[in-house]
Amino acid sequence: GAVVSQHPSRVICKSGTSVKIECRSLDFQATTMFWYRQFPKQSLMLMATSNEGSKATYEQGVEKDKFLINHASLTLSTLTVTSAHPEDSSFYICSAHWSGGASNEQFFGPGTRLTVL
Amino acid sequence: GQSLEQPSEVTAVEGAIVQINCTYQTSGFYGLSWYQQHDGGAPTFLSYNALDGLEETGRFSSFLSRSDSYGYLLLQELQMKDSASYFCAVRVQAGTALIFGKGTTLSVSS
Repeated sequence: GAVVSQHPSRVICKSGTSVKIECRSLDFQATTMFWYRQFPKQSLMLMATSNEGSKATYEQGVEKDKFLINHASLTLSTLTVTSAHPEDSSFYICSAHWSGGASNEQFFGPGTRLTVL
Repeated sequence: GQSLEQPSEVTAVEGAIVQINCTYQTSGFYGLSWYQQHDGGAPTFLSYNALDGLEETGRFSSFLSRSDSYGYLLLQELQMKDSASYFCAVRVQAGTALIFGKGTTLSVSS
């Protein structure tokens, strides 16, 4: 299957700092990537859809100025959490859509656990 | 809005069979997927149904009835390692993001 990587896997930062998370599709080109957030014991909540070469589409309630998304190439999307606060502490997971498979599947990265002190 | 309903918890013993149901109400439908997630890990793909019927993959099977907006994941010959959260997810149209249910925590005991 297709492989998606994320970096870093874990980050701890002070309140007020910005954190960048990278999502890469390693063996396929992804024109569309998705960013999810998951709080403990909860489901994955879609934050935004990242389209290569265009602006991201954010879900209702997600602040686009706080969660900056850049999809500069067909294999890389980045999520920057700006001025992070403790309530932003969460598990952030990216996924990439691959239309080449029979299941038209969405492949997930390993996730980034963000802790804001 | 979109909603997917599944039981919050299921318990079973090793060797047993468990069925996790999922009903959905979405603005569109382009297939039902199932994912497994262990604590601290990312979701891993288990199964996908685009058409009505049963899909079998080893110990896991998934069923879909589009007329009933219903599907289930069937886990057979349960093992301790199957203890995890299981999510059903729907894509409302091609190329869009998966929308996830709230997840079912499966606990398998010996």
